[in-house]
Formats: sequence, C-alpha cells, structure tokens
Amino acid sequence: EAAVTQSPRNKVAVTGGKVTLSCNQTNNHNNMYWYRQDTGHGLRLIHYSYGAGSTEKGDIPDGYKASRPSQENFSLILELATPSQTSVYFCASGDAGEEYFGPGTRLTVL
Amino acid sequence: GQQVQQSPASLVLQEGENAELQCNFSSTATRLQWFYQHPGGRLVSLFYNPSGTKHTGRLTSTTVTNERRSSLHISSSQTTDSGTYFCAIDPNYAQGLTFGLGTRVSVFP
Repeated sequence: EAAVTQSPRNKVAVTGGKVTLSCNQTNNHNNMYWYRQDTGHGLRLIHYSYGAGSTEKGDIPDGYKASRPSQENFSLILELATPSQTSVYFCASGDAGEEYFGPGTRLTVL
Repeated sequence: GQQVQQSPASLVLQEGENAELQCNFSSTATRLQWFYQHPGGRLVSLFYNPSGTKHTGRLTSTTVTNERRSSLHISSSQTTDSGTYFCAIDPNYAQGLTFGLGTRVSVFP
C-alpha cells in the first residue's frame, strides 16, 4: 500500500502568519492532491499536481498556493492565514486510479 | 459542477443487521472510490470500484456506471463498523476526487 505522510500533524497559527503543510509519498506516484475537510462540506479539492514542477487549481484554491519540488513532495502554503482556513487538511497520491490518503493535519488559525 | 449525493445521511443499526449505503452522481465517473473514516479522522480506502462488483470481508461494493450510481453493502454489522462512509468520484482520471457528504453509521450492541 502507498505510504503518504504529512507534517505537522497539528498546527496552531496566528491570523496573517504564513503556514506550510508538507506531504511526502514514497510510491513514486505522479499525481498528488490537497483536500480540506470541514463539517457540513465533506472533503474538497484545493490543489493538485501531475508531477514535479506542476501545480493545478482545484475547486477551492483561493488563499492557498502549492509547490511540487520533487516527485515525492507536495506542499500547501497559506501565505496569510485566516481563521476561515481552520480545518483538517489531507494529502493524497495516486496514478489515475486509486488515491491513497495521508493521516491529515489539523490546522487551527487564531 | 460535479455532484455526489449519498443516502441516507445517517443510519442506526443493531449489531448483526445489514445495511445498504447509496451514492448517486451527476456525471460519468472514470474513478470511484469508497472510504471509511474513523471517528478519530483517518480516511481508509475500502474500494476502488468504477464499475462492477467487489467484495472484501463483510463489505460489497456495486457500481452501475451507466446509471451513475454505486452502493456499499455491509452485512452482519459490528460495533467496529461505526463511523462515516464516503463515496468519491472523478470524471477525468487524475483531476482529483469530488466527495459526497457521507453516511454516518452507528452500530449498537
């Protein structure tokens, strides 16, 4: 099974601060994804990537940037964090089939 | 945009009862996946099933692609089946999944 890890697992940030969430996968998948999960909305796609150097906007990209410096790593960047970005963030990887999810990062923006 | 509707929204079972969870979607699904989420939050993939029927243990997933629906059957439910079940689809193979809102299942002894 694909191994997807996320760091940090929990994060408290201040409004206006910069936050970087990191994701690493070890199965050489081309595609990686960032989602957020909020009560009442299920999981929603923020950004995704087809490979190193590629980033694409998902359904709710506003307020987020993404970076894919290598096949293994995909970061989600909040340049100016806001309380509305308090959520649980999931990273996933896959290759045009099943997606494999990381354990999630719980972000609280105060 | 893409829509995924799951029903029922919640379900209460007595241990040993069977259950069927439904997923209907608004456009062709080239990818379809069922997940279970622990009350603590981790997402566990149950099935990758864009068409046909798959079984694992007490779970069965059936997807009828041209009718844009999928179901997840739980047989002989156990208290450890309690949690939320999500259906998710992608019409384009690699552009990310669209999730339904989930079915919350509670199984009591």
